[in-house]
Amino acid sequence: AQTVTQSQPEMSVQEAETVTLSCTYDTSESNYYLFWYKQPPSRQMILVIRQEAYKQQNATENRFSVNFQKAAKSFSLKISDSQLGDTAMYFCAFMKHGGHNAGGTSYGKLTFGQGTILTVHP
Amino acid sequence: DTGVSQNPRHKITKRGQNVTFRCDPISEHNRLYWYRQTLGQGPEFLTYFQNEAQLEKSRLLSDRFSAERPKGSFSTLEIQRTEQGDSAMYLCASKKATNEKLFFGSGTQLSVL
Repeated sequence: AQTVTQSQPEMSVQEAETVTLSCTYDTSESNYYLFWYKQPPSRQMILVIRQEAYKQQNATENRFSVNFQKAAKSFSLKISDSQLGDTAMYFCAFMKHGGHNAGGTSYGKLTFGQGTILTVHP
Repeated sequence: DTGVSQNPRHKITKRGQNVTFRCDPISEHNRLYWYRQTLGQGPEFLTYFQNEAQLEKSRLLSDRFSAERPKGSFSTLEIQRTEQGDSAMYLCASKKATNEKLFFGSGTQLSVL
């Protein structure tokens, strides 16, 4: 079974500054995906960024980037130029890679961390 | 792409009553997932469908819970004889079989009094 741990219950940052959210995970799988989801007060889960474990290059999406350390099983999210709209709960999540044509019953199932509440102050 | 739709947004019920939630996935997505999220926690997997077949159920899904996806389109999640511990946000998500991206609905917030 996989576990995902987010050790920072709450973080805060000033608008326009940079903040890093931490995530560690434990798995015996060699191929998998990692995700960061954002959940604002509306409760809608929004995908922020994803990383494929077999890719060494860290994923980036505009102001969002990750630091993926496979050996250390670490997957942190860096938010640059923080904006007020970034205020939300952020979840780190793990998905086992089952192969696109596999009928694997766990393929697509996400295991989430406990979340980090991020507040961006003006 | 109209997104994943869940109804109702909020449901208040008395302990012992039955409730049913509905999820309409994105039309071309053949995989559908139900998650439960309690306050301050991350979502937990409940069950998963590929088309109309329910392929996996979590041990969190007690005998009082049942999910269906007739004809592989919308899905319903029913909770019988609700208990206060069932109070949570119930999230639905869908995806294509060939893509790892899950799209979530806005959830149904259940309060059992």
